[in-house]
Amino acid sequence: LAKTTQPISMDSYEGQEVNITCSHNNIATNDYITWYQQFPSQGPRFIIQGYKTKVTNEVASLFIPADRKSSTLSLPRVSLSDTAVYYCLVGDPNAGNMLTFGGGTRLMVKP
Amino acid sequence: DADVTQTPRNRITKTGKRIMLECSQTKGHDRMYWYRQDPGLGLRLIYYSFDVKDINKGEISDGYSVSRQAQAKFSLSLESAIPNQTALYFCATSPGRGLNTGELFFGEGSRLTVL
Repeated sequence: LAKTTQPISMDSYEGQEVNITCSHNNIATNDYITWYQQFPSQGPRFIIQGYKTKVTNEVASLFIPADRKSSTLSLPRVSLSDTAVYYCLVGDPNAGNMLTFGGGTRLMVKP
Repeated sequence: DADVTQTPRNRITKTGKRIMLECSQTKGHDRMYWYRQDPGLGLRLIYYSFDVKDINKGEISDGYSVSRQAQAKFSLSLESAIPNQTALYFCATSPGRGLNTGELFFGEGSRLTVL
């Protein structure tokens, strides 16, 4: 399984763009990259998933360089309610191995 | 109503007691999972099941057992609870092979305290 490395914590201010980078040097050909958000005492919630280049949805963008050894979750114009832990997972969904959560990145958004 | 329901939501028990946490889902998913989360840490996989007849150990299965009673139900048991099993437990589901995008759908969690 591809191991992921993320910063332990980040601080930001309301209205700023936040970029959280995840390293996954041994990502395999069939692996996808998925990001989750977790609020205290709640289960993680899916944010976005990608395989290569750029993916954008209504809440975030995911940038994946050509070598796919890292990925960056971009949250535009964060608000206080974006304060949460963000997890990067890597694996092959068809093999069912996208199951390992690392420590995540604790994002604190300040007013 | 929640698609993935866990019961009980909170439980306090004593060392040595048998505890069962139950999970049911209305999403029609084949795959179900049990995770454990300790304060300030990420989630660790205890057991997972890809269908009713397929159950697999995760990272930290010692001290736990599971039962997949039906496609919609997946129970986690602690045969003899100990204090270091105090944690927040999450059940999750995902679709089966060919339909699986890797997205996991989580329940609201079951907070277990073992005294």
